[in-house]
Amino acid sequence: AQTVTQSQPEMSVQEAETVTLSCTYDTSESNYYLFWYKQPPSRQMILVIRQEAYKQQNATENRFSVNFQKAAKSFSLKISDSQLGDTAMYFCAFIHTSGTYKYIFGTGTRLKVLA
Amino acid sequence: EPEVTQTPSHQVTQMGQEVILRCVPISNHLYFYWYRQILGQKVEFLVSFYNNEISEKSEIFDDQFSVERPDGSNFTLKIRSTKLEDSAMYFCASNLDRVEGGTQYFGPGTRLTVL
Repeated sequence: AQTVTQSQPEMSVQEAETVTLSCTYDTSESNYYLFWYKQPPSRQMILVIRQEAYKQQNATENRFSVNFQKAAKSFSLKISDSQLGDTAMYFCAFIHTSGTYKYIFGTGTRLKVLA
Repeated sequence: EPEVTQTPSHQVTQMGQEVILRCVPISNHLYFYWYRQILGQKVEFLVSFYNNEISEKSEIFDDQFSVERPDGSNFTLKIRSTKLEDSAMYFCASNLDRVEGGTQYFGPGTRLTVL
C-alpha cells in the first residue's frame, strides 16, 4: 500500500527558532517525487519544496530544507528562522513517475509559530 | 505568474441538489485533477483527466461525480445528487506534463457545504 505518515499532528516553535516536521512514506516504486505543501488558514495549497527521489542531494528553498533518507523512506522538513507567517498546516506528499500520477498526501502537521 | 482559479469560493446547497464546481487551469497545462479535503482530514485524490477523458479515478469518485472540459479552458466537477458527506473543500490542480517533476499547481479551492 502507498501511504504517507506524519506522526506529529501539532507542533509549535518560537519565532526565529528552527523546527523539523517528520514524514515517512511507503512505496515499492523506485522513481517518485516528494513534496511539502503548506496550507494556511485560507486553505490554499502552496508548494513549499520538492525532492526528486533519484537525487541524493537534499533540496533547499530559502529557509526550507529537507532531510531525505531514501533507504529509511523518510522525508523531513526543516524550517529555519521561523516566522509568524509560517503558521499553517503542512502536508507531505509523494507521486510516482510512472503509471498513476496522483498525489498521496499525509494527514498533516499543524504548525504554530509563537511570537 | 499564471494561476489555477476556481469558482465559486463557497457553495451552499441542499442535500439532493446538483452542483457544478468550476476550475480554470493554467492555460498551457494538459493534465487536470480534482482532490477533496473533508474538514480536518487529509487531501484525497478524486480524478485525473487528460486528452478529454478520465485517466484515473479513486473509489470516492462514484457515479454521482462527473468531470468535463466543455470549452477548452474550464474544467468542471459535477456532483449530481449531493449528500451531507460531500461537504468538503474541493481543489482543482493542473500540470503541463508529467515529467516536469510531477508538480501539480493547485487552485484556491471551493468550499462545498451540503445542508
